[in-house]
Parts: sequence; structure tokens; C-alpha cells
Amino acid sequence: QSALTQPPSASGSPGQSVTISCTGTSSDVGGYNYVSWYQQHPGKAPKLMIYEVTKRPSGVPDRFSGSKSGNTASLTVSGLQAEDEADYYCSSYGGSNNFVFGTGTKVTVL
Amino acid sequence: QVQLQESGPGLVKPSQTLSLTCTVSGGSISSGTYFWNWIRQPAGKGLEWIGRMYTSGRSTYYNPSLKSRVTISVDTSKNQFSLTLTSVTAADTAVYYCARASYGSGTYYAFDIWGQGTMVTVSS
Repeated sequence: QSALTQPPSASGSPGQSVTISCTGTSSDVGGYNYVSWYQQHPGKAPKLMIYEVTKRPSGVPDRFSGSKSGNTASLTVSGLQAEDEADYYCSSYGGSNNFVFGTGTKVTVL
Repeated sequence: QVQLQESGPGLVKPSQTLSLTCTVSGGSISSGTYFWNWIRQPAGKGLEWIGRMYTSGRSTYYNPSLKSRVTISVDTSKNQFSLTLTSVTAADTAVYYCARASYGSGTYYAFDIWGQGTMVTVSS
């Protein structure tokens, strides 16, 4: 099962918005509403930011939002803050009891 | 709240077996509708899902690319689950994470709690 495709990098100035895409296939992203997003700071474990495409766990700021259209899911970070600078990974249930992660996107706050 | 902690050797020789344990604290590994996962990340690279286990029924599912070499098991008396990876090579060098996911309620099919990760190097 191939990794989901994400852009290697994205950037924005403080206060701006940045959107990261996550492209899969009809067998994973397009086939299930089980897309999740993770934030990872250097040397730290990933942190769940979005689950089931659009839902935010308790404690995650509402600046983070998720969506999906067809085989592509997206994470939008609005009102960028310095602490949002991190790597972001998407994940999807891939059917056949498998999970697959995205290739990762490094977000830089300019 | 529930916390996860990985443990095991940091250095494994090529062709040998990698064994790691994840200890669950703050809750029972057998309670609730959760499955327990291993995920790894080579230095500077992305995340790779290795496999998962349900404590109810002890069902296991593995990444097809690793299936022939991976075993995940559970010891409910110790509130632990384990990873065994055989015939390791340098390509298995990575930070290994254990993580929890829900299938019944809450954060469905997402990895909501992670261990801090443990670095495993495969080298002679």
C-alpha cells in the first residue's frame, strides 16, 4: 500500500492561513471518512489534531480544520502562530485492516 | 490519563530479532474499545504503520510489507503489548512508537495517544 501524497513544504506569515493536501485513492482517503492529521515537533511524538476528516479532539484549537473532496483530504491552519511550525502527517484507514500515512509536510511560519 | 511507554534494546545486530514492549499506565489495556498499534519513523522520514492488536479476541493485523517478519502480542496481566520484528536490516533502523486508537467511540480510527518513542539502531 503506497503512502499518501503530501507536499513536502508549506509556509505562511503569522496570522495567515496555510492548507496542506493529502492525496490517496478510492481505496483509502476516498473510500472512508477515517482521515486523521498529526502535528509533530522535532524530537517529539506526533499529536492528533483532526480525526474522522473534520473532528477536533478536545484541546486542539479551532484554528485547525479538516475537509475532504474525493481522494484528497486537506488540513487548514488559520491564524498561523509560531508554535504551528512543525511537520504534519495525514493518515487514512486503507481497508483490509490496514492504515497508511502521508509523506509529511513541513510547515514554516515566516 | 492513559500513558504509553516503549522499552527495549537500542541496538540490534543485522539478521537478529528486534523486540520492544509498550507499557500502558493510567488505564487497563483490556478495557474500552481500543486497539493497540506500533508505528515507526526512520530518521528524517515519514511515519509507517507496522500493525495493530485488539485485546478482545487478540486479533492482529499487519502492514503487508512487513507481515512476514512482524508479530504483535499482549500480556494483559502486565498491561503491556509487544512488537517482534525478525531478520532485521539497516532499513529497520528507526524510532518506534506505540499508539492507541479507538474503534468503538471517541476518536474513531485515529491514533490519539502515543508513547514518546524509542530509537532502535540496526548495526553490527
